[in-house]
Amino acid sequence: GDSVTQMEGPVTLSEEAFLTINCTYTATGYPSLFWYVQYPGEGLQLLLKATKADDKGSNKGFEATYRKETTSFHLEKGSVQVSDSAVYFCALSERYGGSQGNLIFGKGTKLSVKP
Amino acid sequence: EPEVTQTPSHQVTQMGQEVILRCVPISNHLYFYWYRQILGQKVEFLVSFYNNEISEKSEIFDDQFSVERPDGSNFTLKIRSTKLEDSAMYFCASSEALWQRLHFGNGTRLTVT
Repeated sequence: GDSVTQMEGPVTLSEEAFLTINCTYTATGYPSLFWYVQYPGEGLQLLLKATKADDKGSNKGFEATYRKETTSFHLEKGSVQVSDSAVYFCALSERYGGSQGNLIFGKGTKLSVKP
Repeated sequence: EPEVTQTPSHQVTQMGQEVILRCVPISNHLYFYWYRQILGQKVEFLVSFYNNEISEKSEIFDDQFSVERPDGSNFTLKIRSTKLEDSAMYFCASSEALWQRLHFGNGTRLTVT
C-alpha cells in the first residue's frame, strides 16, 4: 500500500542554518504531496503542496519539489528561524478507486532551532 | 481564519469505559475526518464522513468506533469500550469540498489507564 517515509528526528539547528527534511513515498498512482506543520500546542497546518511531478510547492520560505523519478518530496529552507521550531509531517493523497482524498502521513520530524 | 475546534484537549479514562471526543468543524465545510497519532507513530486515517454517512474508513475503525453529526455543527467520535492501545492524540479535520485542503483541530489527547 501507499506509504510515506521521512527522516527521523529530532533535528536541532542554529538560527540561519540550512534545513533539509527528507521525505520519500510509495504510491500506486499519481499522488498529491504535502508538508504539514504542527507548532507546539496547535493542530496540523498545511505548509505547502504539489500535485504533479516537477511542481514546486513553497510557503514562508520553505520549498519542496515533487520528484517522481526519485519518489521524493524533500522540504528545504535556506535560513531557519527560532519560530520554525515545530513538527513537520510529509503526507500524500491519492485519487483512485473510491478514495476520498484521505491523507497518508509520515511519522513527523521534530525541528528545534536554537538562537 | 475559521478554525476547527476540539474538546476536551486532554481526556483520561479507564479501560472499558466509553469516551466521546467532540469536534466543531468549520461551518461551511462538508467533509469531516478523524485521524489519530499514537505517541511516536504516524498520523493515521480513521474515518471520513460526508452527507451524514461514513464515506470511507480504515481497518483501525472497527466496531468499537462510531461517528456522528448529531446537530449540524458537532462531529463526534465515540469509542465504546476503550482499550489501553486507544491512547493517542485524536485529530478532527474538515474540508470545504473533496480534494480541498484539510483544516485540522488542535487534537484531543486520550489517555486510557
